[in-house]
Amino acid sequence: GAVVSQHPSWVICKSGTSVKIECRSLDFQATTMFWYRQFPKQSLMLMATSNEGSKATYEQGVEKDKFLINHASLTLSTLTVTSAHPEDSSFYICSALGRRSTDTQYFGPGTRLTVL
Amino acid sequence: AQSVTQLDSQVPVFEEAPVELRCNYSSSVSVYLFWYVQYPNQGLQLLLKYLSGSTLVKGINGFEAEFNKSQTSFHLRKPSVHISDTAEYFCAASLSGGYNKLIFGAGTRLAVHP
Repeated sequence: GAVVSQHPSWVICKSGTSVKIECRSLDFQATTMFWYRQFPKQSLMLMATSNEGSKATYEQGVEKDKFLINHASLTLSTLTVTSAHPEDSSFYICSALGRRSTDTQYFGPGTRLTVL
Repeated sequence: AQSVTQLDSQVPVFEEAPVELRCNYSSSVSVYLFWYVQYPNQGLQLLLKYLSGSTLVKGINGFEAEFNKSQTSFHLRKPSVHISDTAEYFCAASLSGGYNKLIFGAGTRLAVHP
């Protein structure tokens, strides 16, 4: 149980375009989902927390207009990187908290974004 | 403020040898503690967690960790490692009592050599 998927697993896009990344909880309902960014050989940096049906809470320094987060259902959250630039290239990982078990985050496999 | 420190950025070890990955946390209140493993180009997989109760926690793949409140540590151990254990290991903490943000350590790269 507690499986989280992400799609796509990797994406290459041109500078100036927008990219959407999906995060799904496959076998449980996730009231809260998180989006992290990971640079090479570094730890995870929390970008934002999204709760189903409400606006996401962004961490300090993260541009909410650039990284749009939508959590429209209990099993799906999306991260849209708008007007992507090469510096947005990174590994993006989502995680989810279950409705019944709020003490443990389960992570998706990550999405590698490369902006040319 | 909470923080998590992983004292070793890299740990090289020979196959079948024991290993300990160190983790210390700082918090003035009770915390939950976690160890996650990340294989190349993959997300994080939960190895084990401490929420309360017994201070010795057993996880998957033969790993275990011991919560030591007086030393504010949560070191990860395995008595005999395999080549397949080569990965990045992250220690993380959150305030106890329901959902709270995870604070991650910088990670330790475990390299198992034949």
